Amino acid sequence: GQNIDQPTEMTATEGAIVQINCTYQTSGFNGLFWYQQHAGEAPTFLSYNVLDGLEEKGRFSSFLSRSKGYSYLLLKELQMKDSASYLCAVMDSNYQLIWGAGTKLIIKP
Amino acid sequence: IAGITQAPTSQILAAGRRMTLRCTQDMRHNAMYWYRQDLGLGLRLIHYSNTAGTTGKGEVPDGYSVSRANTDDFPLTLASAVPSQTSVYFCASVEQGARQYFGPGTRLTVT
Repeated sequence: GQNIDQPTEMTATEGAIVQINCTYQTSGFNGLFWYQQHAGEAPTFLSYNVLDGLEEKGRFSSFLSRSKGYSYLLLKELQMKDSASYLCAVMDSNYQLIWGAGTKLIIKP
Repeated sequence: IAGITQAPTSQILAAGRRMTLRCTQDMRHNAMYWYRQDLGLGLRLIHYSNTAGTTGKGEVPDGYSVSRANTDDFPLTLASAVPSQTSVYFCASVEQGARQYFGPGTRLTVT
């Protein structure tokens, strides 16, 4: 079956760096997405990786290793507004997104 | 409108009643999706449409139906609601290259 694993919850301190991991097993691979979802709101797009390596976008970076079925989202200079759930999703061979359950990130002052 | 809208925002529905959740986008995206999101679970695909006039079943289609008469609208119907359909429902449209844009969601409670 298809499976996306990410930690349920993480806690970090304002101003620090946090890495949220995602491992996947899917039938085919056509890219990996990270979305941010604040409580009570819709998911919003953060990043897309289809090739191995690191994609940097401001305070957020996303890394992919296709051979290991692994990705991480790196958040730097954490701000209180970064408190949210972070969803990892993989596009399979049918171009459908398979979603992880999300990682709830709690930022403490 | 700009982007993707859903209606209603929230609804309490008696079991056995019929309900249609509305979704409209103005971005002219061909593909649209309906998901449900439950605590502790990832987004689960209910139905999708790759283009107007076509629809397909996702991971959890039972008890739901959709139609896609035109590019902009993609309504989701619960023919006879059951308590297990209590969830948050998100509609999404897909840009070329697979980035998904989500509507604000409908919070549905079936009693």
